[in-house]
Amino acid sequence: EAGVAQSPRYKIIEKRQSVAFWCNPISGHATLYWYQQILGQGPKLLIQFQNNGVVDDSQLPKDRFSAERLKGVDSTLKIQPAKLEDSAVYLCASSYGTSGYNEQFFGPGTRLTVL
Amino acid sequence: GENVEQHPSTLSVQEGDSAVIKCTYSDSASNYFPWYKQELGKRPQLIIDIRSNVGEKKDQRIAVTLNKTAKHFSLHITETQPEDSAVYFCAASRGGSQGNLIFGKGTKLSVKP
Repeated sequence: EAGVAQSPRYKIIEKRQSVAFWCNPISGHATLYWYQQILGQGPKLLIQFQNNGVVDDSQLPKDRFSAERLKGVDSTLKIQPAKLEDSAVYLCASSYGTSGYNEQFFGPGTRLTVL
Repeated sequence: GENVEQHPSTLSVQEGDSAVIKCTYSDSASNYFPWYKQELGKRPQLIIDIRSNVGEKKDQRIAVTLNKTAKHFSLHITETQPEDSAVYFCAASRGGSQGNLIFGKGTKLSVKP
């Protein structure tokens, strides 16, 4: 089966600019996650969708980050305006079910550099 | 808040030796503990997981043990090979959530031929 797709793979912007990332999960996966992975650290959950509804966005910096999952399939994550500390790899993951025991499949990530 | 501590941050072993990575978690409601392997420049991939009703699970050269009382779990890799070199992340489910994971900071394992 096709894996989780993300684009772009790399993005370089200046601080205060805006940026958007796109994710296409594995077909049929109900749950979609966005993670931020800063260099040398583990992934940190930003937001979790179940179909097209938000399950958890408690760690999403809502003053600058936003995300949506239209029609319960693809998702976009936006940062506006970007700060230097937003430099990280943004990982999208999806899982088949809605319980906590389902394996999460990760995409290749988008490496964001904010100058 | 909830936290997962992972040790060591780096680990170097000779090919054929065993490697052990340890994690502790703070949320007593955590009930699912996966381990992910991330090779350089690649995506994290699940290598093994354990649920709270099981104390140990083994898959070929990889095993995971869980001590719920002490709130710690460990990854054991036996007969290490150079292709085991990667960053390994432990994670614990956030209590009351549906699939939320809290990740440790990772252990960089280097297996020397």
